[in-house]
Amino acid sequence: DSGVTQTPKHLITATGQRVTLRCSPRSGDLSVYWYQQSLDQGLQFLIQYYNGEERAKGNILERFSAQQFPDLHSELNLSSLELGDSALYFCASSGDSKNIQYFGAGTRLSVL
Amino acid sequence: AQSVTQPDIHITVSEGASLELRCNYSYGATPYLFWYVQFPGQGLQLLLKYFSGDTLVQGIKGFEAEFKRSQSSFNLRKPSVHWSDAAEYFCAVGEMNYGQNFVFGPGTRLSVLP
Repeated sequence: DSGVTQTPKHLITATGQRVTLRCSPRSGDLSVYWYQQSLDQGLQFLIQYYNGEERAKGNILERFSAQQFPDLHSELNLSSLELGDSALYFCASSGDSKNIQYFGAGTRLSVL
Repeated sequence: AQSVTQPDIHITVSEGASLELRCNYSYGATPYLFWYVQFPGQGLQLLLKYFSGDTLVQGIKGFEAEFKRSQSSFNLRKPSVHWSDAAEYFCAVGEMNYGQNFVFGPGTRLSVLP
């Protein structure tokens, strides 16, 4: 168990809808990262937050947004969903400057 | 920009055989290097990491990796593979600064024959 908790485990929704994925980092970790994993794109870094502030941005679509709350949990919001957004979404957390990331089990999103 | 290549998409080995998974990176300075493993339906688990010092690093589950600066490589090795090692393996490169420019390779899927 990595200590990183992601909910829900599975999410099935329809095109055009909006969903929220939640991540609770390991106790004490200030950094949270979001990744998207799909068969055709592999593991893609989306965005990183550090202690409530956005720290780095990767290949995140404008339809997607994230935030990190004062209790350090994070949410990834996906809107106007398309079939191509179906993927595994991982959250990772890190607690040191050497950036050792610990991953949650992921949320599998299916857009029908 | 950093990049990571893993030349082998899929490797099949027999149980008990030795294993080497290749990883090459492109990075301007001395990178932090990582190997992660992903079992089906699970998240990524850290196998080992290199920051500095001894270029041969030991990880969990009997894995080791060697950093070769001249070849920009960080290959993962295991002397004797077990059936439970069948998984997807990802090499990654990062730097200090809390996650900026952290890049994963495309992954190598390992199958193990009985």
